[in-house]
Order: sequence, then C-alpha cells, then structure tokens
Amino acid sequence: KNEVEQSPQNLTAQEGEFITINCSYSVGISALHWLQQHPGGGIVSLFMLSSGKKKHGRLIATINIQEKHSSLHITASHPRDSAVYICAHGRGGSQGNLIFGKGTKLSVKP
Amino acid sequence: DAGVIQSPRHEVTEMGQEVTLRCKPISGHDYLFWYRQTMMRGLELLIYFNNNVPIDDSGMPEDRFSAKMPNASFSTLKIQPSEPRDSAVYFCASLGPSGGYTFGSGTRLTVV
Repeated sequence: KNEVEQSPQNLTAQEGEFITINCSYSVGISALHWLQQHPGGGIVSLFMLSSGKKKHGRLIATINIQEKHSSLHITASHPRDSAVYICAHGRGGSQGNLIFGKGTKLSVKP
Repeated sequence: DAGVIQSPRHEVTEMGQEVTLRCKPISGHDYLFWYRQTMMRGLELLIYFNNNVPIDDSGMPEDRFSAKMPNASFSTLKIQPSEPRDSAVYFCASLGPSGGYTFGSGTRLTVV
C-alpha cells in the first residue's frame, strides 16, 4: 500500500478553472513536498511545507498536520499548467528519503 | 547556480554493455539522491548520500547497480551489465540546508 495517496489520478479542466489536487499520508511527517513534472521533462520542486499555507503566484499549497492531508490549488488555470503533480514526504519523518505519491496528471484545455 | 547537472541526457545502449550516469549536485548541498522513474513503478529511490557517504542503498535493484560519490561535487551511477528492464529515466537530486530538493533534468536510458 502506497503511504502517500493522491486524488484524483487524472484531471481535465478548462482554462481559467480553479483546480484542487489532494494528498493524504499515513505517518507523522516533518514536511511535505509538492513537485511538478511536465511531459518528458524534469522535476521541479514547487513547495515544501510543514504547516499552514504557502503561495507562489497562482499556486497555493495547504497542509493539515492533524488530518495528515495536503492540497495543491491552482487559480485561473492555464494550459501551461498541464503537468503531473506529485506529493512526497520524507520516509520516517526525515528529509533524507522521499516517499512519492503516484502523481496527478492535469490537463488544462484552452 | 546552474542547478543539478546530469549527463548524458539520453543514452541508448545494447544489453550487456556498461552504462555510467553522472551527476553534479548544487554546491553546498549535503545530500545527493539517485531516483529511477518508470511508468509502472513511478519514482523510486535507488541510493542516497550524505556528505559523500552512502546512507541507504536498499533501493539498488541488484549487484549490477553501483553508485559512488568520490567528492562533494560529483557522483556516478553505474550499471554493469545493463539489461532492457533497466530502461527508465534516472534522476539525480540534491537537498540543501533549507530542506528544498533540486532535481536534475534526468537521463533517459534505453537498453536494447
């Protein structure tokens, strides 16, 4: 059983829509990471958060430590946001070794 | 900073050949990770180093895989002999004091 569960697996949206991707995990952690991977591309770290909320441009990440749940929101979505979004946390609560979710494939249509 | 630099970007080799993947982490990052990504299994940790010392190599599939980090600015992942099932994208990543990961662009390996 994957210790990091993401939903949905696939998501199609129209340009301009508000998007939410969810991530649940099963153990206590020190920090959770959101990563972005474009088709055929490399992996970019979007956020690392251990509490509350972080915002970068149109991207917002939130985390609820008690509920072991995090969300990634994209406001005013754009086709260039089409990518796979992956959440991950350190194994055993450490930063040294990430456990990854299977990713959410987002496609934003113009 | 140029980020984490991996080479080559693409590698096509014949089964049985030796393959060496290279990685230069970000200066000052104490941790270096080698990950493998396949469609079936997603991202998997192969091995990671802290201050050039291997900490966890439990993800290395078998003895055909080996990794070294002779100094803080260079690491290699070697597969000998290579097999078609090793075909994947191999990512190197480094972790800095702030806790943020930086990934390289990956090496797409095809073993025919």
